[in-house]
Amino acid sequence: SQTIHQWPATLVQPVGSPLSLECTVEGTSNPNLYWYRQAAGRGLQLLFYSIGIGQISSEVPQNLSASRPQDRQFILSSKKLLLSDSGFYLCAWSGNINYGYTFGSGTRLTVV
Amino acid sequence: QKEVEQDPGPLSVPEGAIVSLNCTYSNSAFQYFMWYRQYSRKGPELLMYTYSSGNKEDGRFTAQVDKSSKYISLFIRDSQPSDSATYLCAMSASPTSYDKVIFGPGTSLSVIP
Repeated sequence: SQTIHQWPATLVQPVGSPLSLECTVEGTSNPNLYWYRQAAGRGLQLLFYSIGIGQISSEVPQNLSASRPQDRQFILSSKKLLLSDSGFYLCAWSGNINYGYTFGSGTRLTVV
Repeated sequence: QKEVEQDPGPLSVPEGAIVSLNCTYSNSAFQYFMWYRQYSRKGPELLMYTYSSGNKEDGRFTAQVDKSSKYISLFIRDSQPSDSATYLCAMSASPTSYDKVIFGPGTSLSVIP
């Protein structure tokens, strides 16, 4: 069966520090991968999605970036965090026919 | 007008009650509708997936879509304390992953024993 791993679960980082969040998927090949951010009381905001290795589409211009170095690995990065980057970050995957996303357990990021 | 609107709640009901959760949307191109359940500090999990108008039932859960009114609902029968969570509706125009899935902000539900 397919599983998705996301880590770390919780992260507290100072303003201006770098960020690297990792997501890996098991049990499927060539998944479509997504990074979402969920702010308190707000909906899910799509940040990046990828349909293949090295193929990244950005939905929201900001100081975050994403990379897909391997088929089942998706990384969210920042060179310098801002206070506004705080939030709950979720990785998700779907097949080419999207019968709904499978989400990871999320990373709670607090920038201080 | 937001693409997908959902009453944020919180909604509090006694155990055993029938719960009705709703979303409205503005994009008539949406044809695929989903409901996710999200427990605190966890990622959302898919509950129901429906296509076009009509009803779909899965155990205590029933999803209902009325495309003419641009209105979808999730009914929970015999609600349990374990149903306490945030419920997100989501929708897209096609099932291929190249089309965006738009999420509602979620409704927080508490089922009181």
